[in-house]
Amino acid sequence: EAGVVQSPRYKIIEKKQPVAFWCNPISGHNTLYWYRQNLGQGPELLIRYENEEAVDDSQLPKDRFSAERLKGVDSTLKIQPAELGDSAVYLCASSYDQGAQHFGDGTRLSIL
Amino acid sequence: QKEVEQNSGPLSVPEGAIASLNCTYSDRGSQSFFWYRQYSGKSPELIMFIYSNGDKEDGRFTAQLNKASQYVSLLIRDSQPSDSATYLCAVSSGGSNYKLTFGKGTLLTVNP
Repeated sequence: EAGVVQSPRYKIIEKKQPVAFWCNPISGHNTLYWYRQNLGQGPELLIRYENEEAVDDSQLPKDRFSAERLKGVDSTLKIQPAELGDSAVYLCASSYDQGAQHFGDGTRLSIL
Repeated sequence: QKEVEQNSGPLSVPEGAIASLNCTYSDRGSQSFFWYRQYSGKSPELIMFIYSNGDKEDGRFTAQLNKASQYVSLLIRDSQPSDSATYLCAVSSGGSNYKLTFGKGTLLTVNP
């Protein structure tokens, strides 16, 4: 079974530039999550989708962050404009029904 | 604010010893408890989950849950150098497909 696939693995941009991350969940997994992990911290949930619906986006900074999950499969997370404090690892995870969450390798974002 | 607390370590044990990792949580309504292992630069990997009070064993790993004390632990028997990683405790107020609240993680080093 293929795992959660994320791209790109690394991204370096200048502040105020836009950036987008892509996630392909495990086949058949209906729930998809985006987490952000700062250095030395545990992951923090940004948004959770059940199929196409965002059911928990309370931690998503909506002034600059947006996400979508068209057709209930792949998802993209966008930041525009990026700020220095957005430097972190962005992790995508997926799960099926009551199954455990499985994480992708993440995108490491560096803002110059 | 729901919190999950872990000793950041580092916890250092000799090869073959038992490593004991501890976690406390603030939300009494928490229902699901998870231990993830994270190697440096890698994504979190699920190693154990527990829902009921008591012990749950899987190979060299034992998870222990005490809901009255709001405490969950992970024991690693016969520790190996390959167990050296950061161990993240995660808690959910719902099922495993709900938001996970993570602790900061405990860095474990197993010395040959």
